[in-house]
Amino acid sequence: GNSVTQMEGPVTLSEEAFLTINCTYTATGYPSLFWYVQYPGEGLQLLLKATKADDKGSNKGFEATYRKETTSFHLEKGSVQVSDSAVYFCALLNTGFQKLVFGTGTRLLVSP
Amino acid sequence: NAGVTQTPKFRVLKTGQSMTLLCAQDMNHEYMYWYRQDPGMGLRLIHYSVGEGTTAKGEVPDGYNVSRLKKQNFLLGLESAAPSQTSVYFCASSATGAGGNEQFFGPGTRLTVL
Repeated sequence: GNSVTQMEGPVTLSEEAFLTINCTYTATGYPSLFWYVQYPGEGLQLLLKATKADDKGSNKGFEATYRKETTSFHLEKGSVQVSDSAVYFCALLNTGFQKLVFGTGTRLLVSP
Repeated sequence: NAGVTQTPKFRVLKTGQSMTLLCAQDMNHEYMYWYRQDPGMGLRLIHYSVGEGTTAKGEVPDGYNVSRLKKQNFLLGLESAAPSQTSVYFCASSATGAGGNEQFFGPGTRLTVL
């Protein structure tokens, strides 16, 4: 079946540090891949997406590249800010299905 | 344009009580979803709908019922609440189910069942 595996958190960084949150997936076919972000007390918001292999999604300084050969979609940011503190979810949507499959989420804590 | 709204924001129930959670979207989306979020488990799909008058089971449908009588509304019902249904519930909508389509989420309903 389809599944998404994310690194467990929390990830604790100082402001301006480099961020990587690992995400790998298992799926049949060619899924679309997403990163969603959840700020405290709020619902999820789409951060970025990629719909085919080698696509790079980017938004607000975050990037992730769809790597079919390693079935990965790692989230990166060159310099994190305190305002990036949130929970980040990796997700996939497989062709022919209407249902997102989420990872368990990774909490990021950024200190000044 | 309010996006996706959920009512209520918080609720405390006793075991065996019933309640309905309301989700409304003003984006004319065809697809709507109900998820529950539990610590360490991410979001799990309860039920979903691909259009007005249709519903389908998701990953964890037991103990819940849904209805989509109007395109803009998607109701989630708990007929006899149990402590295991203590969770945060999120509604979402999307234009279609096609790959790459963004799901828009509501702010959530925090439910506690005593």
